[in-house]
Amino acid sequence: SQQGEEDPQALSIQEGENATMNCSYKTSINNLQWYRQNSGRGLVHLILIRSNEREKHSGRLRVTLDTSKKSSSLLITASRAADTASYFCARPSGSGTYKYIFGTGTRLKVLA
Amino acid sequence: DAGVIQSPRHEVTEMGQEVTLRCKPISGHDYLFWYRQTMMRGLELLIYFNNNVPIDDSGMPEDRFSAKMPNASFSTLKIQPSEPRDSAVYFCASMYGTDTQYFGPGTRLTVL
Repeated sequence: SQQGEEDPQALSIQEGENATMNCSYKTSINNLQWYRQNSGRGLVHLILIRSNEREKHSGRLRVTLDTSKKSSSLLITASRAADTASYFCARPSGSGTYKYIFGTGTRLKVLA
Repeated sequence: DAGVIQSPRHEVTEMGQEVTLRCKPISGHDYLFWYRQTMMRGLELLIYFNNNVPIDDSGMPEDRFSAKMPNASFSTLKIQPSEPRDSAVYFCASMYGTDTQYFGPGTRLTVL
């Protein structure tokens, strides 16, 4: 499968705790993106990290990229009930294309 | 900005019927994507357009599926004839040269 693989598949934490989700892929990439999907809604873009970047921040989100290990992680700090959603990583299937391959997703549940 | 608009939001039809899903991308965006999401297969790219021209339709499952983009503000995805295995949520997304895709709310299709 060309899909990115996220783990864990599901994660349940208490409000205020940090949540870490991981994404692995198989081929070289020039960028990797993370999206959030609330139940019954479309995906919302969170962060794009390029292959020459190791870490990127956006508010309570931190994304890391390790191209040598072909993996990325998304950290949500001080989680809130509103962070409950599915999180997906996405990467282009090749160079010069906008055909993105989405991972299987991590279902995050933040308990109040 | 109204975002990406999809219609209908829900569609229930019987096997063998023609189904047409509609999408209005964000004004000024030059890329449009059609995705299908199911529990079994996750989020799959069906086809994407650039400046109204289909660029990659390798994800279209079979000849029963067709997509058009007659102008920059409208696209359709048609399934004829529909089958129960086509039941899924279909998303349209648009983008303007930043790798960030903006997703619509989706159309939930049920084929009986």
